[in-house]
Amino acid sequence: DAGVIQSPRHEVTEMGQEVTLRCKPISGHDYLFWYRQTMMRGLELLIYFNNNVPIDDSGMPEDRFSAKMPNASFSTLKIQPSEPRDSAVYFCASSPWPDTQYFGPGTRLTVL
Amino acid sequence: KQEVTQIPAALSVPEGENLVLNCSFTDSAIYNLQWFRQDPGKGLTSLLLIQSSQREQTSGRLNASLDKSSGRSTLYIAASQPGDSATYLCAGKGGSEKLVFGKGTKLTVNP
Repeated sequence: DAGVIQSPRHEVTEMGQEVTLRCKPISGHDYLFWYRQTMMRGLELLIYFNNNVPIDDSGMPEDRFSAKMPNASFSTLKIQPSEPRDSAVYFCASSPWPDTQYFGPGTRLTVL
Repeated sequence: KQEVTQIPAALSVPEGENLVLNCSFTDSAIYNLQWFRQDPGKGLTSLLLIQSSQREQTSGRLNASLDKSSGRSTLYIAASQPGDSATYLCAGKGGSEKLVFGKGTKLTVNP
């Protein structure tokens, strides 16, 4: 298996633009997680899905953030409009219940 | 609310030294405790997972312990090597599927 795949690996955009991050989980994993990592706050859970259904989105910082999982092999995290404080590394992870999570390589987002 | 703390934030040791990384958590009702490794520009890789009923787990030169009563976990690395240089994060899992991460300890092993 190729592991968790994320795209793009790097994204540079200007404030106010829409940003879409993509994730393909490991086949057969029922859980998918979106995290954000910054120096100041560390690694924070934004939202997670079970069998394509959002279970907990309490970590989503604002209404500007939205996530979808239309099928078992694809998820998106969208930021609209983007702001400089959204600059971070965004990780997607998948997991077979109940043990450890498998992380993708991350998307480094820079909002100018 | 679970909070996970890792001290120190950075550690530099000479090659061959045995070392201990520390992790503390506030909620003793923990389901499991995991240690991850993160290399620069990469995602996290799971190293060891300790269930709440266990005291420790070992993998090669790594040994992780869990003491729920004191809210502490340690990661012991024996005979450190330059290839061990990375950031090590611990994460606690409660009753849901959510992991709460510490901010990590950046380890540098000098040849």
